[in-house]
Amino acid sequence: DAGVTQSPTHLIKTRGQHVTLRCSPISGHKSVSWYQQVLGQGPQFIFQYYEKEERGRGNFPDRFSARQFPNYSSELNVNALLLGDSALYLCASSLEVGVKNIQYFGAGTRLSVL
Amino acid sequence: AQTVTQSQPEMSVQEAETVTLSCTYDTSENNYYLFWYKQPPSRQMILVIRQEAYKQQNATENRFSVNFQKAAKSFSLKISDSQLGDTAMYFCAFMNPGGSQGNLIFGKGTKLSVKP
Repeated sequence: DAGVTQSPTHLIKTRGQHVTLRCSPISGHKSVSWYQQVLGQGPQFIFQYYEKEERGRGNFPDRFSARQFPNYSSELNVNALLLGDSALYLCASSLEVGVKNIQYFGAGTRLSVL
Repeated sequence: AQTVTQSQPEMSVQEAETVTLSCTYDTSENNYYLFWYKQPPSRQMILVIRQEAYKQQNATENRFSVNFQKAAKSFSLKISDSQLGDTAMYFCAFMNPGGSQGNLIFGKGTKLSVKP
């Protein structure tokens, strides 16, 4: 079975632009979470979606938004890009939400903002 | 708020030897999960091992085991018989049990190098 897939793998944007990152969860998984990993740091939680509804949001500005589609895939959108948005964006999927559900990660999208 | 601290930015070990990575955390919750994830240069986070806080017994997965000290809020990872393929960043993570959420809180990571 395919794991969590993310596209694109690399992306270069300039300040002020908008970006959309995509994630396909493991087949059968209904929950998707997004994390931002700045170089040299651990991942930070951005959003969690379950059954197309937002179930959690981290401490990120409103420039960050996301959605989940009926097939459980997800998009992360970032508007008005800043240099500080340069990071590895990780998507993780799990069967359900909650403490007992293991999150499986994709290989991430490396975003560079110039 | 929960926090996770990894005090060793980098460590190295000789192939076939044993190494222990440290992690401490802070929480007022009584029931939670702790994880160790491995991130090789390929970038993909791979689950190494997880521990349920209400279980006294330390989790083990082949060459990987943990020393979970709930009262001390300590969760260290022991890698036995280290292999070159163990070279990676290792992240300790705490699962936030609040409500219906299940987001992970990560430490800053420890870079492990296994030397031949």
